[in-house]
Amino acid sequence: DGGITQSPKYLFRKEGQNVTLSCEQNLNHDAMYWYRQDPGQGLRLIYYSQIVNDFQKGDIAEGYSVSREKKESFPLTVTSAQKNPTAFYLCASSISAVPTHEQFFGPGTRLTVL
Amino acid sequence: AQTVTQSQPEMSVQEAETVTLSCTYDTSESDYYLFWYKQPPSRQMILVIRQEAYKQQNATENRFSVNFQKAAKSFSLKISDSQLGDAAMYFCAYRSVSSNTGKLIFGQGTTLQVKP
Repeated sequence: DGGITQSPKYLFRKEGQNVTLSCEQNLNHDAMYWYRQDPGQGLRLIYYSQIVNDFQKGDIAEGYSVSREKKESFPLTVTSAQKNPTAFYLCASSISAVPTHEQFFGPGTRLTVL
Repeated sequence: AQTVTQSQPEMSVQEAETVTLSCTYDTSESDYYLFWYKQPPSRQMILVIRQEAYKQQNATENRFSVNFQKAAKSFSLKISDSQLGDAAMYFCAYRSVSSNTGKLIFGQGTTLQVKP
């Protein structure tokens, strides 16, 4: 089956720890995105990548880092510098960043900082 | 910068009835795309409908249709013959044509309850 997988579904972290969220797609999409979802705020863009080995900061990149070493993978690291990391994180991909290309979303990861 | 506003945090509708969810946006661009996404309790985001700003005709997808008022910067979603499976959070989203990021700008969401 083609699609986007995110793991784990639930993640707990102690304050001061870095944690990495996985996002994998087998759709052969060039563009990948990370969004953060908080109650009452909708989704906000953290990082995006238009092509392998390239990525750009989104609107709320502080305290996060990414890599794009493989076309199918776009992991997100939540660092200890992120002041309020508890949220729901959604990964998305599209054929390219062209606006006509639909973004497909993964099932998400719920991160809770203890 | 573009913004999207959904002023109805919660809505409810009786099964088989029609409901309209509101969305307004702010932009100085003339060409863009607008979307409605559905997020059911599983939290999987699903594209419901899409509208290109240069098209005057309102988009429709089965029971879902939009009322796109470009001058008023309004983009409402109408769900006809509501079903229990329509219960979800609905997000309105904007996507620029001129930007090369491809990012979506989302509203705050509207939770729709469908009563049997």
